[in-house]
Amino acid sequence: DQQVKQNSPSLSVQEGRISILNCDYTNSMFDYFLWYKKYPAEGPTFLISISSIKDKNEDGRFTVFLNKSAKHLSLHIVPSQPGDSAVYFCAASGTGTYKYIFGTGTRLKVLA
Amino acid sequence: DTAVSQTPKYLVTQMGNDKSIKCEQNLGHDTMYWYKQDSKKFLKIMFSYNNKELIINETVPNRFSPKSPDKAHLNLHINSLELGDSAVYFCASSQDDTTYEQYFGPGTRLTVT
Repeated sequence: DQQVKQNSPSLSVQEGRISILNCDYTNSMFDYFLWYKKYPAEGPTFLISISSIKDKNEDGRFTVFLNKSAKHLSLHIVPSQPGDSAVYFCAASGTGTYKYIFGTGTRLKVLA
Repeated sequence: DTAVSQTPKYLVTQMGNDKSIKCEQNLGHDTMYWYKQDSKKFLKIMFSYNNKELIINETVPNRFSPKSPDKAHLNLHINSLELGDSAVYFCASSQDDTTYEQYFGPGTRLTVT
């Protein structure tokens, strides 16, 4: 039972344009969400997070939006840069569990 | 000065063997984790230790045994390796067990033949 889904395995975007990565979840007990970025042969690195009490969190070029009613979150990267090319994982956790459920990742390719 | 390091990076072994993967973090964190990423790219938590005590133990075969000699180290020992154990294993750490942000190691690719 896949509680966190990233339905787009890959995405290509031109440099300078916006990249939008999507994530859906099924468990209404999830209340904290994170995005991780992963380069080949490296471990995931934390990018940005959002609590369910917010619907938006911004950090530089990265913004995460949360739609609780739709159980959907998205990561916006603008402007996209070639160095953003990586696999992006979303992860969700419920209060007190501190245990993440990860999606299967979306491979972003930013074309120069 | 890598924050979370794992050894070895690659491990190829035969079915039935016993092997260990080591993990060390120099961040002063209290909590450490082991994750398995299978061929379908699912990244699933296996174990978590907080100050050397086991706090998360997912449904993992008891052939897998984590050991935490101190809070900077969390090793994973696997007995009687099976083909299905082939995966990438990631170690991670967080400041404590109330902190969401985790720092991951580079992963160990285990191939069982």
